[in-house]
Amino acid sequence: KAGVTQTPRYLIKTRGQQVTLSCSPISGHRSVSWYQQTPGQGLQFLFEYFSETQRNKGNFPGRFSGRQFSNSRSEMNVSTLELGDSALYLCASSLATMNTGELFFGEGSRLTVL
Amino acid sequence: AQSVTQLGSHVSVSEGALVLLRCNYSSSVPPYLFWYVQYPNQGLQLLLKYTTGATLVKGINGFEAEFKKSETSFHLTKPSAHMSDAAEYFCAVQTGANNLFFGTGTRLTVIP
Repeated sequence: KAGVTQTPRYLIKTRGQQVTLSCSPISGHRSVSWYQQTPGQGLQFLFEYFSETQRNKGNFPGRFSGRQFSNSRSEMNVSTLELGDSALYLCASSLATMNTGELFFGEGSRLTVL
Repeated sequence: AQSVTQLGSHVSVSEGALVLLRCNYSSSVPPYLFWYVQYPNQGLQLLLKYTTGATLVKGINGFEAEFKKSETSFHLTKPSAHMSDAAEYFCAVQTGANNLFFGTGTRLTVIP
């Protein structure tokens, strides 16, 4: 069974640009969560989608947004990039509809903002 | 609000020695607790989890953790370290639907 797939794996942007990251969950998984990982702040929850609906959102500015499609694939978008947005963005999928916390992570998209 | 604190950002052990990674939690409700491992340039992988029931939880790769409510702890152990255990380990507590609060991580180095 294929794991969680994130694209692109690496990308470089400049300040002020926007970026879209994609995540394909494990087949059958309907929940997709996004996390930002940085050396200074560690792993921080961005948002979680289930059946195309955002169920939870972390404490990030409105520049960070996401969506989920009917096939459970998800995208996140960051507009007006800042240097501090440089991070590893991790997507995780989950089979369960209820709270289990058992997440399956992709390898991440490493964003560098210059 | 639920949170976790990992004591020690770096831990070094000799190959074959006991591995002990410390995690304390704060929660006003019975917590769901997790340990995840991250190898270089990879995502996170679930090692083990505690939800309810038996307080000693066994996970993959020979790791186990014990939930101690009186000490608000969920320390991760392994009797004998292998070189392949070198990685970063994250303790986490569930705070919402598939929403985890992660600790700051402990980097484990295994010395041959």
